[in-house]
Amino acid sequence: DAGVIQSPRHEVTEMGQEVTLRCKPISGHNSLFWYRQTMMRGLELLIYFNNNVPIDDSGMPEDRFSAKMPNASFSTLKIQPSEPRDSAVYFCASKQGDIRNQPQHFGDGTRLSIL
Amino acid sequence: KQEVTQIPAALSVPEGENLVLNCSFTDSAIYNLQWFRQDPGKGLTSLLLIQSSQREQTSGRLNASLDKSSGRSTLYIAASQPGDSATYLCAVQGSNTGKLIFGQGTTLQVKP
Repeated sequence: DAGVIQSPRHEVTEMGQEVTLRCKPISGHNSLFWYRQTMMRGLELLIYFNNNVPIDDSGMPEDRFSAKMPNASFSTLKIQPSEPRDSAVYFCASKQGDIRNQPQHFGDGTRLSIL
Repeated sequence: KQEVTQIPAALSVPEGENLVLNCSFTDSAIYNLQWFRQDPGKGLTSLLLIQSSQREQTSGRLNASLDKSSGRSTLYIAASQPGDSATYLCAVQGSNTGKLIFGQGTTLQVKP
C-alpha cells in the first residue's frame, strides 16, 4: 500500500498567490482529514470529509481557505490569497470504516512557506 | 472544550532505560485515545489506539494505559533504543465528532 500521498512536499510562494495542496488517501479509506501544524499552535484539524462530504469545517481559519473532495481518491486544500501567517506544515490523513475506533494514517505533509 | 496536555515537553535518556510519557485531557467523554510518533520532516505514525472501554494496549516494547475518570494516559517504552528518538503525540477523539484533539507532544532523545 502506497500510503497517503501529498503533493507538493514543499511550496514557497509570495504573499497574495493562490496555493493548492493535494492529497490522495489510501484506497478504500472513506474518511479524509486536513491538519495544519505550527510550532505555536501544534497540530490542528482544519476540515474532515466522510464519503467525500465535508462533515466539519469549523477548523478552517478563514474564507481564504477552501477544501474539496471531488471523488474518493483525491482532495485539495486551497488558500487564496495566501498570507505569511499561513506558513506551516499541512498534513492530510485518511482512515477506514467507522470513524470512531480506527487509527488515522498520515501523509508526509506539505511544508508551505509564504514570503 | 477539550484540552490535551503532554508532560514533559522534552526528555533525554540513556539507551536501555525504561521511560514513561504522560498525557492528560480535560473532558473524560472520549471515544478513544491514540498515541502517535512523528519523525523530523515526516507525518505521524499511529502507535497505539485505546478505546474508551479499554484500560491498556500493548505493542512490542510499548504499553499505553488509559484512566478515563482521571483524564490521564501514559505511554511506557521499555528498554529504550536510539531509534525511539522522535516526537510522541497523544490525541483524543471526542464523543460527538470524528475530530482528534492533539497534545503538543513530547520530544524524546535516546542517547547511545
